[in-house]
Amino acid sequence: QKEVEQDPGPLSVPEGAIVSLNCTYSNSAFQYFMWYRQYSRKGPELLMYTYSSGNKEDGRFTAQVDKSSKYISLFIRDSQPSDSATYLCAMSPSVRHDMRFGAGTRLTVKP
Amino acid sequence: NAGVTQTPKFQVLKTGQSMTLQCAQDMNHEYMSWYRQDPGMGLRLIHYSVGAGITDQGEVPNGYNVSRSTTEDFPLRLLSAAPSQTSVYFCASSYSLAGGPGTGELFFGEGSRLTVL
Repeated sequence: QKEVEQDPGPLSVPEGAIVSLNCTYSNSAFQYFMWYRQYSRKGPELLMYTYSSGNKEDGRFTAQVDKSSKYISLFIRDSQPSDSATYLCAMSPSVRHDMRFGAGTRLTVKP
Repeated sequence: NAGVTQTPKFQVLKTGQSMTLQCAQDMNHEYMSWYRQDPGMGLRLIHYSVGAGITDQGEVPNGYNVSRSTTEDFPLRLLSAAPSQTSVYFCASSYSLAGGPGTGELFFGEGSRLTVL
């Protein structure tokens, strides 16, 4: 079993839809939870960063962490074609930078 | 600032050949790392370094060597390439260890696509 599980999709939605992306994990030591966005043939870029449990909102993006269920989510409101990318969840323990990534979910937002 | 620069962007090797993937960053980051990205596997950590002269193994280190003689550079060496090393390789850096909020962001290069025949 992988430490971090993420449905690779692909996921296709119409413009304006609400998108929900999810990851589950098995290592209870993870404290830092991140979402990276990766456009085709580019390196990943940090989108959202959350420490421990709770919600964090940034514009159209909301990240949620439920440590009791070992489950994290990323919501995208009013999705745009420019949101079309692969979204990777990532998490790490509190001390080392041993970050574990999910496989990534490929999202396409159709105009 | 150029950020994280990787060279070459593309490379084709024959089984058994050796090569070095170059990585340089101009952000004075302490932490640098190499990942490989394969379909369905996500990013997997190969080696990392927390400062000049200090390196350590990640999740999939076999077949790869690294060194960190300067803060800026972190080359990845493939000693004897195998078809299983066909992948996209990413170099990443950050300010420090994930010791607090805001310190964990990784800055990635654009990747080096390697094919081993």
